[in-house]
Amino acid sequence: DQQVKQNSPSLSVQEGRISILNCDYTNSMFDYFLWYKKYPAEGPTFLISISSIKDKNEDGRFTVFLNKSAKHLSLHIVPSQPGDSAVYFCAATISDGAYSGAGSYQLTFGKGTKLSVIP
Amino acid sequence: SAVISQKPSRDICQRGTSLTIQCQVDSQVTMMFWYRQQPGQSLTLIATANQGSEATYESGFVIDKFPISRPNLTFSTLTVSNMSPEDSSIYLCSVDTTGYGYTFGSGTRLTVV
Repeated sequence: DQQVKQNSPSLSVQEGRISILNCDYTNSMFDYFLWYKKYPAEGPTFLISISSIKDKNEDGRFTVFLNKSAKHLSLHIVPSQPGDSAVYFCAATISDGAYSGAGSYQLTFGKGTKLSVIP
Repeated sequence: SAVISQKPSRDICQRGTSLTIQCQVDSQVTMMFWYRQQPGQSLTLIATANQGSEATYESGFVIDKFPISRPNLTFSTLTVSNMSPEDSSIYLCSVDTTGYGYTFGSGTRLTVV
């Protein structure tokens, strides 16, 4: 049973346009969500996160939206750049509201979405 | 954030043999996590490694197959034992980067022939 789902294995977007990557989860206990970007031959790199007490978190060109009732989150990249081409993983964890990076939280990942930004 | 050196980056191994993957962190961390990414699949947690105690394995993973060492707060190894082609995957170690999510090693791409 996959608790974190990324139903789109791939996405192509023109440079300068918005990229929207979606993620659904089934475990209502998840209260902290993270997005990672992964280039070939490299490990995943942390991108942005959101706590369940928020519905939006923004960092530069990256915004994550969380809809708890729908158990859905999305990552928006505006404007998209060719360097954004990578695989994006959604991840979730149960922190019981205490997430402070203390190092004891296990992540559940989606399968990833490969984003291609076309120049 | 922490920097992780993971090696080897890739290897091709004969079935029935074992491979040990090493992760060195540039700072002391309490927990280290080992993940596996099989082709077309998500990253799956294998085990959590605490210094000075036995690793905690997730369902479907056992110590005899994936023994882990954690001799100090900056180093850990994962061994893939008695390998079969089904073990062909990318293996990654990870540590928490306080307040900034998790940092991952660059991964070890294992092919078992």
